[in-house]
Amino acid sequence: NAGVTQTPKFRVLKTGQSMTLLCAQDMNHEYMYWYRQDPGMGLRLIHYSVGEGTTAKGEVPDGYNVSRLKKQNFLLGLESAAPSQTSVYFCASSYSGWRESHEQFFGPGTRLTVL
Amino acid sequence: DQQVKQNSPSLSVQEGRISILNCDYTNSMFDYFLWYKKYPAEGPTFLISISSIKDKNEDGRFTVFLNKSAKHLSLHIVPSQPGDSAVYFCAARKDGGSQGNLIFGKGTKLSVKP
Repeated sequence: NAGVTQTPKFRVLKTGQSMTLLCAQDMNHEYMYWYRQDPGMGLRLIHYSVGEGTTAKGEVPDGYNVSRLKKQNFLLGLESAAPSQTSVYFCASSYSGWRESHEQFFGPGTRLTVL
Repeated sequence: DQQVKQNSPSLSVQEGRISILNCDYTNSMFDYFLWYKKYPAEGPTFLISISSIKDKNEDGRFTVFLNKSAKHLSLHIVPSQPGDSAVYFCAARKDGGSQGNLIFGKGTKLSVKP
């Protein structure tokens, strides 16, 4: 099992450009999440999904869109990148919250720089 | 408003001694607390968790203590090893698991010196 994988690992964008980050999990998890990590800020939730075809806003959703067309994939889109979106992005997945096993499994991260 | 607080950005401990990482929270509705460990250039990995109905959970060298009245939890690592050097995040779950959302603290960087 690969667990949670993220594509790409690194990316440099110019202000105004768009891109999509791909997250894939092979653990048949219902829930998926996108976080960003900034120095001294911990992990902040951008968007999440509790199942195929569903998405919801997290703590810092502005400037991002997401889609979950397939259960195993969760895409994070930046329509018009800004320097404030320079960050490390982590995807995570978990079983549905009602199960005993509630921890989230994280991908290796995508380091994004917006110039 | 920060609901999960890790007030110590860093901690340095000698190999073989105990490491104690602290976490405070403000929301009494949190029902699960988790600790994650993160190495540089890797994603966080789950370490240990505790339900709000318990006051202690132990897994090998790692023990988490929960003091609900003080809204405080701590992670004890005994004995500490150089491989434990990493950033440790405290996280709390609310919503009774309906969304699985976690609120993370800012992390504490642990350095274990040989």
